[in-house]
Amino acid sequence: DTEVTQTPKHLVMGMTNKKSLKCEQHMGHRAMYWYKQKAKKPPELMFVYSYEKLSINESVPSRFSPECPNSSLLNLHLHALQPEDSALYLCASSQAFLAGAGEQFFGPGTRLTVL
Amino acid sequence: AQKVTQAQTEISVVEKEDVTLDCVYETRDTTYYLFWYKQPPSGELVFLIRRNSFDEQNEISGRYSWNFQKSTSSFNFTITASQVVDSAVYFCALSEDYGQNFVFGPGTRLSVLP
Repeated sequence: DTEVTQTPKHLVMGMTNKKSLKCEQHMGHRAMYWYKQKAKKPPELMFVYSYEKLSINESVPSRFSPECPNSSLLNLHLHALQPEDSALYLCASSQAFLAGAGEQFFGPGTRLTVL
Repeated sequence: AQKVTQAQTEISVVEKEDVTLDCVYETRDTTYYLFWYKQPPSGELVFLIRRNSFDEQNEISGRYSWNFQKSTSSFNFTITASQVVDSAVYFCALSEDYGQNFVFGPGTRLSVLP
């Protein structure tokens, strides 16, 4: 199984809502990532988990809260978002660090719209 | 700080033409990794190739080929005999620190016209 799955595919939420994005992989990868991609821009790294521990937080606002319950799952909890947070949110996974920078496998993304 | 430049914002070619996408990177590390990804209109990023800083051999995979030159800090990508299905945004990316720092270039939008 060489797939990264993400749910939901589309999400529309109000600024007072609380929602979660989910990501799952079964490739035995121990590094997982969240990216944000605005239209016509490259993906921007938000968070990196390595062996289920938060390794990198690229100064992301606290209204985004990541969680890695186990080695296969990665969540992104959303609360009190702003309209400018509307974007495509991509999840990726790769081999663990120190094994060389393995290529990242990306999910199809969740297209988020904040009203 | 690491940096990736893709000077070509958009390229249009006619089917069966060859096209080269440029990528220039900047890093202070001696160990780093370079990647190319394709993002078709569907949105999903598709991995194409990984190259580490110690391997300057060029690579060919079907109609795709890559030219890695450390002397000019470039990692260019050529599509031979382009097809309409090659239309996508192509990102070059650089990873340092064994993968913990990963940055994409701005991307090149390739349109292959029938």
